[in-house]
Amino acid sequence: LAKTTQPISMDSYEGQEVNITCSHNNIATNDYITWYQQFPSQGPRFIIQGYKTKVTNEVASLFIPADRKSSTLSLPRVSLSDTAVYYCLVGDRRSSGSARQLTFGSGTQLTVLP
Amino acid sequence: ETGVTQTPRHLVMGMTNKKSLKCEQHLGHNAMYWYKQSAKKPLELMFVYNFKEQTENNSVPSRFSPECPNSSHLFLHLHTLQPEDSALYLCASSQVQEREYVFGPGTRLTVL
Repeated sequence: LAKTTQPISMDSYEGQEVNITCSHNNIATNDYITWYQQFPSQGPRFIIQGYKTKVTNEVASLFIPADRKSSTLSLPRVSLSDTAVYYCLVGDRRSSGSARQLTFGSGTQLTVLP
Repeated sequence: ETGVTQTPRHLVMGMTNKKSLKCEQHLGHNAMYWYKQSAKKPLELMFVYNFKEQTENNSVPSRFSPECPNSSHLFLHLHTLQPEDSALYLCASSQVQEREYVFGPGTRLTVL
């Protein structure tokens, strides 16, 4: 599994754009980059996934440079309710015919301030 | 109900009790998972079920016993737990090929 490195914590203010960068120098050719969000005492929630260039959905954008050694999750105009832990996941263990096994790291604690 | 549901949401048990956690998914997924999240620690994958068959047991102590009677239901049977087993237990489901897991709300377990 490719190791990921992301900041332990970040602070932002309401209405700002937040960018969380994840480093994954050992990403494999077949690996996708997946981001999850987790609120306290809740299960993580899938946000976005990408392989290269840019992916955008109604919640966030994901920017992946050509070398794919890093990725940036962009949250536009954050609100207080975006305060959560954000996880970057790269690669997964999977034996033939079986389910993918996602491994979560420590994530980035984003705190949005009023 | 939609999504992934877990019951109970909170559970307090003594070390000699036997209890079970239940997970149900209404998404038509064919893979289900148990994760453990202790305070200030990353999520730890415990068990993986693929089309009702257990495909992974990540060195979980035998006091945790999973059961998957069908693709929609997953249980975690608990017996003679230790206080350090107190944690948030999360169930998730997905299609076997996909990385998009849907997690349940979790069961907050306290072992006295």
